[in-house]
Amino acid sequence: DQQVKQNSPSLSVQEGRISILNCDYTNSMFDYFLWYKKYPAEGPTFLISISSIKDKNEDGRFTVFLNKSAKHLSLHIVPSQPGDSAVYFCAAREGRDSSYKLIFGSGTRLLVRP
Amino acid sequence: DTGVSQNPRHKITKRGQNVTFRCDPISEHNRLYWYRQTLGQGPEFLTYFQNEAQLEKSRLLSDRFSAERPKGSFSTLEIQRTEQGDSAMYLCASSLQGEQFFGPGTRLTVL
Repeated sequence: DQQVKQNSPSLSVQEGRISILNCDYTNSMFDYFLWYKKYPAEGPTFLISISSIKDKNEDGRFTVFLNKSAKHLSLHIVPSQPGDSAVYFCAAREGRDSSYKLIFGSGTRLLVRP
Repeated sequence: DTGVSQNPRHKITKRGQNVTFRCDPISEHNRLYWYRQTLGQGPEFLTYFQNEAQLEKSRLLSDRFSAERPKGSFSTLEIQRTEQGDSAMYLCASSLQGEQFFGPGTRLTVL
Protein backbone atom coordinates (compact mmCIF):
# COMPACT_ATOMS: atom_id res chain seq x y z
CA ASP A 1 0.00 0.00 0.00
CA GLN A 2 1.97 2.98 -1.31
CA GLN A 3 0.91 6.12 0.48
CA VAL A 4 3.17 8.36 -1.62
CA LYS A 5 3.35 7.75 -5.36
CA GLN A 6 5.55 9.15 -8.06
CA ASN A 7 4.11 7.67 -11.21
CA SER A 8 6.74 8.94 -13.62
CA PRO A 9 9.99 7.01 -13.19
CA SER A 10 11.85 9.37 -15.50
CA LEU A 11 11.66 12.78 -17.11
CA SER A 12 13.85 14.38 -19.78
CA VAL A 13 13.91 18.16 -20.25
CA GLN A 14 15.92 20.61 -22.33
CA GLU A 15 18.22 22.98 -20.46
CA GLY A 16 16.50 26.29 -19.75
CA ARG A 17 13.01 24.81 -19.88
CA ILE A 18 10.71 24.02 -16.96
CA SER A 19 10.85 20.65 -15.21
CA ILE A 20 7.66 19.52 -13.49
CA LEU A 21 7.82 16.54 -11.17
CA ASN A 22 4.59 15.15 -9.77
CA CYS A 23 3.64 13.34 -6.60
CA ASP A 24 0.32 11.92 -5.36
CA TYR A 25 -0.56 10.77 -1.87
CA THR A 26 -3.41 8.86 -0.30
CA ASN A 27 -3.12 9.63 3.43
CA SER A 28 -5.21 12.67 4.34
CA MET A 29 -3.34 12.90 7.67
CA PHE A 30 -0.14 14.01 5.94
CA ASP A 31 0.51 17.64 6.88
CA TYR A 32 4.08 18.29 5.74
CA PHE A 33 5.69 17.47 2.43
CA LEU A 34 9.30 17.56 1.31
CA TRP A 35 11.31 17.12 -1.85
CA TYR A 36 14.76 15.56 -1.80
CA LYS A 37 17.32 15.29 -4.57
CA LYS A 38 19.68 12.35 -4.79
CA TYR A 39 22.87 11.96 -6.80
CA PRO A 40 24.44 8.51 -7.26
CA ALA A 41 26.49 7.29 -4.29
CA GLU A 42 25.20 10.11 -2.08
CA GLY A 43 22.40 10.40 0.44
CA PRO A 44 19.26 12.38 -0.33
CA THR A 45 19.66 16.16 -0.06
CA PHE A 46 16.79 18.30 1.19
CA LEU A 47 15.48 20.67 -1.45
CA ILE A 48 12.24 22.33 -0.40
CA SER A 49 9.21 21.68 1.79
CA ILE A 50 5.62 22.80 2.20
CA SER A 51 3.15 22.71 5.04
CA SER A 52 -0.41 21.62 4.36
CA ILE A 53 -1.67 25.07 5.37
CA LYS A 54 -0.01 26.52 2.28
CA ASP A 55 -0.51 25.87 -1.40
CA LYS A 56 2.80 27.20 -2.68
CA ASN A 57 6.36 27.60 -1.50
CA GLU A 58 9.16 29.09 -3.55
CA ASP A 59 12.91 29.01 -3.13
CA GLY A 60 14.94 30.38 -6.00
CA ARG A 61 14.44 28.20 -9.07
CA PHE A 62 12.37 25.69 -7.11
CA THR A 63 8.64 25.98 -6.40
CA VAL A 64 6.43 23.38 -4.77
CA PHE A 65 2.67 23.45 -5.28
CA LEU A 66 0.22 21.59 -3.06
CA ASN A 67 -3.36 20.72 -4.05
CA LYS A 68 -4.90 19.19 -0.94
CA SER A 69 -8.25 18.40 -2.47
CA ALA A 70 -6.54 16.39 -5.20
CA LYS A 71 -3.89 15.02 -2.80
CA HIS A 72 -1.29 16.12 -5.30
CA LEU A 73 1.91 18.09 -5.16
CA SER A 74 4.38 19.11 -7.79
CA LEU A 75 7.91 20.49 -7.93
CA HIS A 76 8.70 23.05 -10.61
CA ILE A 77 12.29 23.82 -11.56
CA VAL A 78 12.75 26.92 -13.70
CA PRO A 79 15.04 27.22 -15.55
CA SER A 80 16.34 23.67 -15.55
CA GLN A 81 20.11 23.20 -15.55
CA PRO A 82 22.21 20.13 -16.37
CA GLY A 83 23.34 20.01 -12.72
CA ASP A 84 19.71 19.37 -11.75
CA SER A 85 19.98 15.89 -13.29
CA ALA A 86 19.34 13.55 -10.36
CA VAL A 87 16.65 11.39 -8.79
CA TYR A 88 13.97 13.43 -7.02
CA PHE A 89 12.00 11.96 -4.12
CA CYS A 90 8.75 13.27 -2.74
CA ALA A 91 8.22 12.58 0.99
CA ALA A 92 5.44 13.19 3.49
CA ARG A 93 4.81 12.94 7.20
CA GLU A 94 1.77 12.74 9.46
CA GLY A 95 1.14 15.54 11.90
CA ARG A 96 -0.12 13.18 14.59
CA ASP A 97 3.01 11.02 14.30
CA SER A 98 5.41 12.40 16.87
CA SER A 99 8.34 10.57 15.31
CA TYR A 100 8.13 12.76 12.19
CA LYS A 101 9.25 9.80 10.13
CA LEU A 102 9.07 10.32 6.39
CA ILE A 103 7.17 8.25 3.85
CA PHE A 104 8.89 8.42 0.47
CA GLY A 105 7.77 7.92 -3.09
CA SER A 106 9.78 5.75 -5.44
CA GLY A 107 11.48 8.70 -7.13
CA THR A 108 11.63 10.33 -10.55
CA ARG A 109 14.91 10.43 -12.46
CA LEU A 110 15.33 13.85 -14.09
CA LEU A 111 17.68 14.31 -17.01
CA VAL A 112 18.34 17.86 -18.15
CA ARG A 113 19.83 17.85 -21.65
CA PRO A 114 22.34 20.60 -22.52
CA ASP B 1 32.34 18.88 7.79
CA THR B 2 29.31 19.18 10.08
CA GLY B 3 26.94 16.94 8.13
CA VAL B 4 25.76 13.43 8.89
CA SER B 5 28.50 10.83 8.43
CA GLN B 6 28.19 7.07 8.04
CA ASN B 7 30.77 4.31 8.18
CA PRO B 8 31.61 2.19 6.39
CA ARG B 9 30.45 3.46 3.02
CA HIS B 10 30.48 -0.05 1.56
CA LYS B 11 30.29 -3.46 3.16
CA ILE B 12 30.45 -6.82 1.43
CA THR B 13 29.74 -9.82 3.59
CA LYS B 14 28.86 -13.47 3.30
CA ARG B 15 25.43 -14.75 4.18
CA GLY B 16 25.17 -15.59 7.86
CA GLN B 17 27.75 -13.06 9.03
CA ASN B 18 26.99 -10.15 11.36
CA VAL B 19 27.56 -6.56 10.30
CA THR B 20 27.48 -3.25 12.16
CA PHE B 21 27.09 0.23 10.72
CA ARG B 22 27.75 3.54 12.43
CA CYS B 23 26.05 6.91 12.04
CA ASP B 24 27.27 10.23 13.43
CA PRO B 25 24.46 12.79 13.24
CA ILE B 26 24.68 16.57 13.17
CA SER B 27 25.77 17.38 16.72
CA GLU B 28 22.80 19.39 17.98
CA HIS B 29 20.16 17.11 16.43
CA ASN B 30 18.22 15.08 18.98
CA ARG B 31 16.29 12.99 16.43
CA LEU B 32 17.99 10.18 14.54
CA TYR B 33 16.49 7.89 11.91
CA TRP B 34 17.55 4.79 10.02
CA TYR B 35 16.10 4.06 6.59
CA ARG B 36 16.73 1.35 4.03
CA GLN B 37 16.67 1.90 0.28
CA THR B 38 16.59 -0.79 -2.38
CA LEU B 39 17.01 -0.34 -6.12
CA GLY B 40 14.22 1.62 -7.75
CA GLN B 41 12.54 2.47 -4.46
CA GLY B 42 12.54 5.39 -2.10
CA PRO B 43 13.96 5.13 1.42
CA GLU B 44 11.85 3.09 3.85
CA PHE B 45 11.73 3.92 7.55
CA LEU B 46 13.37 1.40 9.90
CA THR B 47 13.68 3.03 13.31
CA TYR B 48 13.74 6.34 15.19
CA PHE B 49 15.59 7.66 18.24
CA GLN B 50 14.92 10.74 20.26
CA ASN B 51 18.14 11.35 22.17
CA GLU B 52 19.11 7.87 23.45
CA ALA B 53 15.59 6.43 23.48
CA GLN B 54 14.47 4.20 20.60
CA LEU B 55 10.85 5.27 20.28
CA GLU B 56 9.67 3.54 17.14
CA LYS B 57 10.57 0.49 15.05
CA SER B 58 9.13 -0.47 11.70
CA ARG B 59 7.76 -3.95 11.14
CA LEU B 60 10.49 -4.12 8.47
CA LEU B 61 12.96 -4.37 11.33
CA SER B 62 13.11 -8.10 12.03
CA ASP B 63 14.58 -9.50 15.23
CA ARG B 64 17.92 -9.89 13.42
CA PHE B 65 18.21 -6.10 13.39
CA SER B 66 19.14 -4.04 16.43
CA ALA B 67 19.94 -0.36 16.76
CA GLU B 68 21.39 1.66 19.59
CA ARG B 69 22.17 5.25 20.38
CA PRO B 70 23.86 4.84 23.74
CA LYS B 71 24.70 8.42 24.65
CA GLY B 72 22.26 10.23 22.44
CA SER B 73 24.98 11.02 19.94
CA PHE B 74 26.18 8.42 17.41
CA SER B 75 24.08 5.36 16.56
CA THR B 76 24.85 1.83 15.43
CA LEU B 77 22.73 -0.56 13.38
CA GLU B 78 23.62 -4.25 13.64
CA ILE B 79 22.31 -6.99 11.40
CA GLN B 80 22.84 -10.52 12.65
CA ARG B 81 22.91 -13.61 10.43
CA THR B 82 22.71 -11.54 7.25
CA GLU B 83 20.58 -12.76 4.35
CA GLN B 84 20.81 -11.87 0.67
CA GLY B 85 17.58 -9.91 1.03
CA ASP B 86 19.37 -7.54 3.42
CA SER B 87 21.41 -6.16 0.51
CA ALA B 88 20.46 -2.49 0.31
CA MET B 89 21.60 1.05 1.03
CA TYR B 90 21.23 1.87 4.72
CA LEU B 91 20.68 5.57 5.29
CA CYS B 92 20.91 7.54 8.51
CA ALA B 93 19.26 10.93 8.98
CA SER B 94 19.08 13.44 11.79
CA SER B 95 16.90 16.43 12.54
CA LEU B 96 15.60 18.82 15.17
CA GLN B 97 11.97 19.03 14.10
CA GLY B 98 11.89 20.02 10.46
CA GLU B 99 13.66 18.55 7.51
CA GLN B 100 15.83 15.51 7.95
CA PHE B 101 19.44 15.63 6.85
CA PHE B 102 20.78 12.41 5.40
CA GLY B 103 24.20 10.84 5.47
CA PRO B 104 25.81 9.28 2.38
CA GLY B 105 24.63 5.81 3.34
CA THR B 106 26.25 2.41 3.78
CA ARG B 107 25.81 0.07 0.85
CA LEU B 108 25.54 -3.54 2.05
CA THR B 109 26.05 -6.46 -0.30
CA VAL B 110 25.36 -9.93 1.06
CA LEU B 111 26.86 -12.70 -1.06
